[in-house]
Amino acid sequence: EIVLTQSPGTLSLSPGERATLSCRASQSVSSSYLAWYQQKPGQAPRLLIYGTSSRATGIPDRFSGSGSGTDFTLTISRLEPEDFAVYYCQQYGSSPATFGQGTKVEIK
Amino acid sequence: QLQLQESGPGLVKPSETLSLTCTVSGGSISSDSYYRGWIRQPPGKGLEWIGSIYYSGSTYYNPSLKSRVTISVDTSKNQFSLKLSSVTAADTAVYYCARHRSYYDVFDIWGQGTMVTVSS
Repeated sequence: EIVLTQSPGTLSLSPGERATLSCRASQSVSSSYLAWYQQKPGQAPRLLIYGTSSRATGIPDRFSGSGSGTDFTLTISRLEPEDFAVYYCQQYGSSPATFGQGTKVEIK
Repeated sequence: QLQLQESGPGLVKPSETLSLTCTVSGGSISSDSYYRGWIRQPPGKGLEWIGSIYYSGSTYYNPSLKSRVTISVDTSKNQFSLKLSSVTAADTAVYYCARHRSYYDVFDIWGQGTMVTVSS
């Protein structure tokens, strides 16, 4: 099973700042099948990015994904108030699909 | 608009079987060729994929839970179900049902989740 390690655990930033979240895999992710989800308290995760860099329907372009192999990044170019949440990466290139432990983006 | 809704007991006793149902509305399970899966999230922790089922009934499970999990589909009711046997406190979690387009794919539509507590 592929283990995903996200860093940092918590990111304290102000609205308008840039957020850079990291996801490292224990082995290469097949076909760049890496996704990112956003989760707010009491809500289900929402798909943001799939295939490493493709935005899901309705996701604003301030969210972008990059990376390959074992190192992946989610960037939020300018944080809006609604972006403060927990973010999870997921690999779906090999079974079982696995998730990272999450990065919390909190207001500084 | 497709929606998924989980339902089932919120409290299950240790050693018993947890049973949940996911009802699909706004679309037909038998005609859209999607997979449906179950994912859980213990309080304050991350996400764990439990298993998935195709509309035809073929299933695949997370090896860590495979011996205790059964997922089934009832196309006549537009529902799919999860059974997890011999539960312990470690199975306490929010359980989500979700849709994915193919065997290796993202979960693009999620239910709101249902909290299940394992306690005597």
